[in-house]
Amino acid sequence: EVQLLESGGGLVQPGGSLRLSCAASGFTFSSYAMNWVRQAPGKGLEWVSAISGSAGSTYYADSVRGRFTISRDNSKNTLYLQMNSLRAEDTAVYYCARAIVGAIRHAFDIWGQGTMVTVSS
Amino acid sequence: QSALTQPASVSGSPGQSITISCTGTSSDVGGYNYVSWYQQHPGKAPKLMISEVSDRPSGVSNRFSGSKSGNTASLTISGLQAEDEADYYCSSYTSSSSLVFGGGTKLTVL
Repeated sequence: EVQLLESGGGLVQPGGSLRLSCAASGFTFSSYAMNWVRQAPGKGLEWVSAISGSAGSTYYADSVRGRFTISRDNSKNTLYLQMNSLRAEDTAVYYCARAIVGAIRHAFDIWGQGTMVTVSS
Repeated sequence: QSALTQPASVSGSPGQSITISCTGTSSDVGGYNYVSWYQQHPGKAPKLMISEVSDRPSGVSNRFSGSKSGNTASLTISGLQAEDEADYYCSSYTSSSSLVFGGGTKLTVL
């Protein structure tokens, strides 16, 4: 079964850091670009970041560029999101999502269940 | 990058057809055939319903269809069913190499 499982969310103070992980199974992980998408409580979806299958290319939303770093370990079938200098407005459920074949960040066919990140003092 | 514009809510009776619009600009919806639609039930992860304007992934009912005209994309659901009640989001690739989502539309099946 194709599956994505996020972990690492939690409560962090403003200015703090957190590292999210997304474990993939059921497909050839390195063949797919991966993304992070977030959803603030009661709000819509917001694309955060993308990484190519080889990890050779990375992309970020303006709202997180310079603070967040996306990476992947294809030997461990795992996607990461290092989040630094966290702000209250980063509070959201963070989903990892697989891009469709041939895409990097314009459509996502597999989603994880999400992990909640709360930035508050 | 501003969010794409969707109606906040739409409704329809079982068996009817509804259409949800998604309006952007020539820098996103109008400039690329990279519009997608997602269905999200409360507390659940989004599900891809349509990619690249009108492509329906395997396993998605053929009651769902997508189209685009100019800067506006549309999702049509025919033969409305109770389980279609959910939030729907459109997304589009943008000229700034980013991805933008719509604000979401709550579909109510009467």
